[in-house]
Amino acid sequence: NAGVTQTPKFRILKIGQSMTLQCAQDMNHNYMYWYRQDPGMGLKLIYYSVGAGITDKGEVPNGYNVSRSTTEDFPLRLELAAPSQTSVYFCASSYSRDNEQFFGPGTRLTVL
Amino acid sequence: GDSVTQMEGPVTLSEEAFLTINCTYTATGYPSLFWYVQYPGEGLQLLLKATKADDKGSNKGFEATYRKETTSFHLEKGSVQVSDSAVYFCALGETSGSRLTFGEGTQLTVNP
Repeated sequence: NAGVTQTPKFRILKIGQSMTLQCAQDMNHNYMYWYRQDPGMGLKLIYYSVGAGITDKGEVPNGYNVSRSTTEDFPLRLELAAPSQTSVYFCASSYSRDNEQFFGPGTRLTVL
Repeated sequence: GDSVTQMEGPVTLSEEAFLTINCTYTATGYPSLFWYVQYPGEGLQLLLKATKADDKGSNKGFEATYRKETTSFHLEKGSVQVSDSAVYFCALGETSGSRLTFGEGTQLTVNP
């Protein structure tokens, strides 16, 4: 199993550009999550999903959108990139609400 | 709302020293508690967890006990190694859902 995979690893965007961060898992997990990690800070939840077709906002959803059309994939969309979105983004998944979350390697995004 | 407070870092120790990283929480109900570890350039990995009061989680020589009376989940290791150098995150799993709330993380550096 590859676990949780994320692409790209690094990206530089200009202000106002858009992009999609890809996340996929091959563990048949129902729950998937997007976090951002700012320097010296913990992880903040952006969006999460409890199954295909179901998504919900986390702590810091503004400026982002998600979709969950399949169990495996959970892409994160930035429509109008802003410098405040410069961060490291982590995707995670778990089988159920009480289970361990497995994390991807992260995407480092810089908005200039 | 739920919150997690970790001791401020960074923490620098010599090899074979004793490690304690403090973690306290605020939550309603009976949350699960976790310690995650992040090695340089990688995503987070679950280190240990405890799901109810007085439970002790342990892994790789690390231990933490769920203390409801002091709302704490301190991480300890009797003898640290250089390979333990990483960032350690305390996290709380909400009682009625699937979301995790993370502390800010504690950077640990172990010198030979």
